[in-house]
Amino acid sequence: QSALTQPASVSGSPGQSITISCTGTTSDVGTYDYVSWYQRHPGMAPKLIIYDVTERPSGVSNRFSGSKSGNAASLTISGLQAEDEADYYCSSYAGSTSFVIFGGGTKLTVL
Amino acid sequence: QVQLQESGPGLVKPSETLSLTCTISGGSMRNHYWSWIRQAPGKGLEWIGYIYHSGSTRYDPSLKSRVSMSVDTARNQFSLKLSSVTAADTAAYYCARQLVAADVVVFAFDMWGQGTMVTVSS
Repeated sequence: QSALTQPASVSGSPGQSITISCTGTTSDVGTYDYVSWYQRHPGMAPKLIIYDVTERPSGVSNRFSGSKSGNAASLTISGLQAEDEADYYCSSYAGSTSFVIFGGGTKLTVL
Repeated sequence: QVQLQESGPGLVKPSETLSLTCTISGGSMRNHYWSWIRQAPGKGLEWIGYIYHSGSTRYDPSLKSRVSMSVDTARNQFSLKLSSVTAADTAAYYCARQLVAADVVVFAFDMWGQGTMVTVSS
């Protein structure tokens, strides 16, 4: 069982918006604004798409956005495209003991 | 463009030591934290530990007794050793770089290797 909880799968049609949730606790997501999101296509290295809850690295499309409320964080992808079909993972800083923890991943299917 | 590449045996016997190396190309190791992260089949990602270019380390508490990391800045490489492995250590192992944004180290990983699958089996 992963430290952060994500839905196993989500789906959406091209052009739509989808949201992936990431639920933690007061020891991680709820306390620190250090939530990150990664996209991974099959056979590829993970790609950082969001850090510090809402920040996008240079070169990442503004169709990707992040937010947080309480112990839960969310990744929203707007204007869904076929190339967005991938696995998505969240992570959070978890304090001086655990450092960084991850979610189990969510498979996004573009219908 | 910085690239990371993991290398090492794909099969390790139970009770033996798993050894992997990550080679960095296209950039320097200096002023960055370098991590090992793994993913067991059907499970989520798990952070193993990091090493700074100076050699200082930090390991996940659950693995700390079995993990050691080293760095060779001259070769632009860092390594992982995981001792007394069991089937539970079967996983894809990734090396990754921690992001530095505006001179601040961020708790996120902006560069990853492709990963290497390690199976623990006799």
